[in-house]
Formats: sequence, structure tokens, C-alpha cells
Amino acid sequence: GENVEQHPSTLSVQEGDSAVIKCTYSDSASNYFPWYKQELGKGPQLIIDIRSNVGEKKDQRIAVTLNKTAKHFSLHITETQPEDSAVYFCAPLRWGGAGTASKLTFGTGTRLQVTL
Amino acid sequence: SAVISQKPSRDICQRGTSLTIQCQVDSQVTMMFWYRQQPGQSLTLIATANQGSEATYESGFVIDKFPISRPNLTFSTLTVSNMSPEDSSIYLCSVEERGSGSYEQYFGPGTRLTVT
Repeated sequence: GENVEQHPSTLSVQEGDSAVIKCTYSDSASNYFPWYKQELGKGPQLIIDIRSNVGEKKDQRIAVTLNKTAKHFSLHITETQPEDSAVYFCAPLRWGGAGTASKLTFGTGTRLQVTL
Repeated sequence: SAVISQKPSRDICQRGTSLTIQCQVDSQVTMMFWYRQQPGQSLTLIATANQGSEATYESGFVIDKFPISRPNLTFSTLTVSNMSPEDSSIYLCSVEERGSGSYEQYFGPGTRLTVT
């Protein structure tokens, strides 16, 4: 099965700085690459995703970059704010056809702490 | 995106008993998923529930321990049977949304289970 690793496992940045989390996966057939944010006591929230035919995608302060050759993708958060503090998970997936379940394989998680 | 609710939000149960967790979605979805998140850990897929058919369980999870029902396109239940302290976890349901060339998976708020 898919082997997914995230680095770093914890990250502390000062408010206003940038944060980068890297996700490495093993299944070369993975074609969908989402990032989830999980705040304490809540379910994971999809914050950004990218498909295999795109190298980069940006949405305001967050961006995701994909390197399919090296099998890794990264989450970039700029101008970090205290409300960005959470656990972030990558979850690459091989998107199956209609009628087939597509299973997310979650990474190990990165705890981001944004300090004032 | 789909809005997902779960009941109960949390519970404390005695070992040897069973708990049924409900998942309700505000729109019709084909696939629903049940995950377990042990304290401080990542998410692990328990099973995939397709309406009208038996759930498909992942390695390490069995129907006798985690029976699942999927009576219609907006509802599913997961039962944690004969509980032990090792079953203390957050249990999450999720749904997938597919469009033309798009795929996304959304999560409920989770059910925090403590077994004493």
C-alpha cells in the first residue's frame, strides 16, 4: 500500500513568517494530492488540493506544489497567523473511476504552532 | 461541500459494551467512509460503505467488531462492539464528492470515544 511521510512532525514559526510542510509518497499512480487542517476537537478540513497535471496551486495565503517525479508535494503557508495553528495532514490518493472507492492514505501529521 | 454531522459528539463507555455512532449528510452521496484516529495519531481507514452493499473493511478491521449500516444515501452508522480501552479513539465519517474531473473528500466533526 501507499507509504506516506510528512516532515517536519512539529513546526514552530513566528506570526508573519512562512511555513512549509513536505509530504513524500510511494505510489507513483497517485493523482490527487490534498492537504487537511485539523484543529483541536474538530474533524479534518480540506484546505487545498492539487491534481497530477498541475505543478502548483495557490489560494490566498496557502499554496501547494507538486513534484511527481520525486513523489513529493508541499504545503506553503505565508504570513502565518495564530489561527493557522493546527495539525496538518497530507493524504495522497489514486483517484479511481466511477463506482470505485478512492481511498485517502493520511500522512503522519505536522503540528504547526504560530507564536506571537 | 457536503455538511456532515455525527452523533454522539463524545461518549464515555464501559468495557464490554457497544456504541453506535451515527453519520448524517445533507446531500446524497454514493460512498461514505469510516476512519479511526487514535490519540495524537493520524487517521486510519476502517471501512468504505457503499449504499446497498456490504461495507468493505481494511486490513486489521473486521465486521464483527465494527459493523456498519448504510440504509440510504444520506446516512450511515458504525458500531464499536465489545469495547476495550484500546478502542478509545476519535471516529470520523467522511464522504466523497465527484464532479467532472474533480474529486474531494469531506469529514464530519468526529465522535470522541473513551472506554473505561
